[in-house]
Amino acid sequence: DAKTTQPTSMDCAEGRAANLPCNHSTISGNEYVYWYRQIHSQGPQYIIHGLKNNETNEMASLIITEDRKSSTLILPHATLRDTAVYYCIVSTSGTYKYIFGTGTRLKVLA
Amino acid sequence: NAGVTQTPKFQVLKTGQSMTLQCAQDMNHNSMYWYRQDPGMGLRLIYYSASEGTTDKGEVPNGYNVSRLNKREFSLRLESAAPSQTSVYFCASSEKDGSTDTQYFGPGTRLTVL
Repeated sequence: DAKTTQPTSMDCAEGRAANLPCNHSTISGNEYVYWYRQIHSQGPQYIIHGLKNNETNEMASLIITEDRKSSTLILPHATLRDTAVYYCIVSTSGTYKYIFGTGTRLKVLA
Repeated sequence: NAGVTQTPKFQVLKTGQSMTLQCAQDMNHNSMYWYRQDPGMGLRLIYYSASEGTTDKGEVPNGYNVSRLNKREFSLRLESAAPSQTSVYFCASSEKDGSTDTQYFGPGTRLTVL
């Protein structure tokens, strides 16, 4: 599975969009990009995933570059409850292996 | 729908003691996983079970055994606990949906080995 690189930490003002980048330059054609977050020390929570098209759900949007070497998770109107560690993972279905890096610690400021 | 449940929530062991961490899911998922998370680190896969009756080693299996009791339950056993196994343990489950298998995680078990 491809490796991902994320910034260690980011701050975002409450109510503003939070844009979290992820680099996955070695991604292969059948690997999906998944985003999870972990609030305090709770279990990771699924946010969104995509292959090559941009995706949106009730929590976030995922923008994947055309060459698929990077992606951005967008929280459109960040709230204090979005303060968490965000993990970007690339994985192939059927390998049963997510590789978690250290993620991006997002702090939403009042 | 409880999702993925884990017991116990907290546990303190002495070195050499044994214990079993329990995990159950009610989503009818075929695949289940055990991870550990050390302070300031991401999760690391210990063992996984692709389907009922099968188990495979992950990245850090040493010192652990697992049992896929049935489709719902997947337990993790520490036969002789060591301080290096102090960690938070997460169980997860997933079901293949086309070409993806999104994992859903339990709340974790916080284990301290003295």
